[in-house]
Amino acid sequence: GQNIDQPTEMTATEGAIVQINCTYQTSGFNGLFWYQQHAGEAPTFLSYNVLDGLEEKGRFSSFLSRSKGYSYLLLKELQMKDSASYLCAAMDSNYQLIWGAGTKLIIKP
Amino acid sequence: GAVVSQHPSRVICKSGTSVKIECRSLDFQATTMFWYRQFPKQSLMLMATSNEGSKATYEQGVEKDKFLINHASLTLSTLTVTSAHPEDSSFYICSAREKGDTGELFFGEGSRLTVL
Repeated sequence: GQNIDQPTEMTATEGAIVQINCTYQTSGFNGLFWYQQHAGEAPTFLSYNVLDGLEEKGRFSSFLSRSKGYSYLLLKELQMKDSASYLCAAMDSNYQLIWGAGTKLIIKP
Repeated sequence: GAVVSQHPSRVICKSGTSVKIECRSLDFQATTMFWYRQFPKQSLMLMATSNEGSKATYEQGVEKDKFLINHASLTLSTLTVTSAHPEDSSFYICSAREKGDTGELFFGEGSRLTVL
């Protein structure tokens, strides 16, 4: 079956760095997405990886290893506004997104 | 980036009434739109995939007669919750993919439905 695993909750300190891991199993693979979702709001796009390696975009970076079925989202210089849920989603061979349950990130001063 | 507008953002209705939610792609043509519902502290649950000019494809367990989806044009899809009940109260979110694109999804702002 198709499955996405990511931690339920993580806590980090303002100014620090945090890595949110995601493992996936899908029927075929057409890329891995990360979305940020604040409570009560719709998700917003953060990153898309389809090739192995690290993609850096400002304070956020995303990594993919296709052979390991593994991705992580790296957030640097954490700010209080980064407190949100982070959703990992893998696109299968039918171009459908399989969603993880999300990781709630709590930032402490 | 592309913009998807969803309306209304909040709606409160009485049990037994029907509610329509609109999802519009404002600056691109969306061949495919997706409808999700999300319960508190849970992830997105895909309800149906809506293709312009054809019938929607519903996920297992989603009642197509209760959640009517219409995708009449390349920029508009609607979800109608018919005969709503309190258990239908949820956050409904649409997303759209640009025509010919198999990548990024653009999300609407979401609609919070409360059925009394």
